[in-house]
Amino acid sequence: EVRLVQSGAEVKQPGESLRISCQGSGYRFNTYWIAWVRQTPGKGLEWMGIIYPGDSETRYSPSFQGQVTFSADKFIDTAYLHWSSLKTSDTAMYYCARNGDDKPFDSWGQGTLVSVPS
Amino acid sequence: DIHVTQSPSTLSASLGDRVTITCRASQSISIWLAWYQQKPGMAPKLLIYKASNLQSGVPSRFSGSGSGTEFTLTISSLQPDDFATYYCLQYYTWAFGQGTKVEIK
Repeated sequence: EVRLVQSGAEVKQPGESLRISCQGSGYRFNTYWIAWVRQTPGKGLEWMGIIYPGDSETRYSPSFQGQVTFSADKFIDTAYLHWSSLKTSDTAMYYCARNGDDKPFDSWGQGTLVSVPS
Repeated sequence: DIHVTQSPSTLSASLGDRVTITCRASQSISIWLAWYQQKPGMAPKLLIYKASNLQSGVPSRFSGSGSGTEFTLTISSLQPDDFATYYCLQYYTWAFGQGTKVEIK
């Protein structure tokens, strides 16, 4: 069974750094792209970008380029989403999702809630 | 950027109703469109990919059609488990629609 398990909820202050994780199991993690998706009440689902764990090739949405960094450790089947300096506007639920064969986002993590109160 | 406009934003329907949701792309995306269902507190779930292909395990009352710039998701007979929010995704250049909340009438 394909599974993506994300790290737990975080509460951070503006300006702090943060890294959240997404660990895959049940498939060859290194050979499928992993996407990151943001969900906020006001803007619905937003595609942030994608990373290929096999070689850490990344593609960012223009809206998120320079705001976040994707990384992956193929030896522990884990992808990461990193902020160097959080803003209150980063408050959202963040999902990782696997890009399957011909099937976009066929498996999803359970989501990580990031709260950055003002 | 290729944008997708999803409509309606909210839909009120009764059990057994036929329901249709539409996504329009600002440019042709061929058949690179998927549909997702999301329930409160849960991650989205893939229903349809490549415009009309039913994901394994998804009930056959769900169907997708379209190509180019206009796409539809149809639920042939609305069931209690179908009250949720539905999103389209164009994966030609990657963008989600705004979502359609299907509510009980």
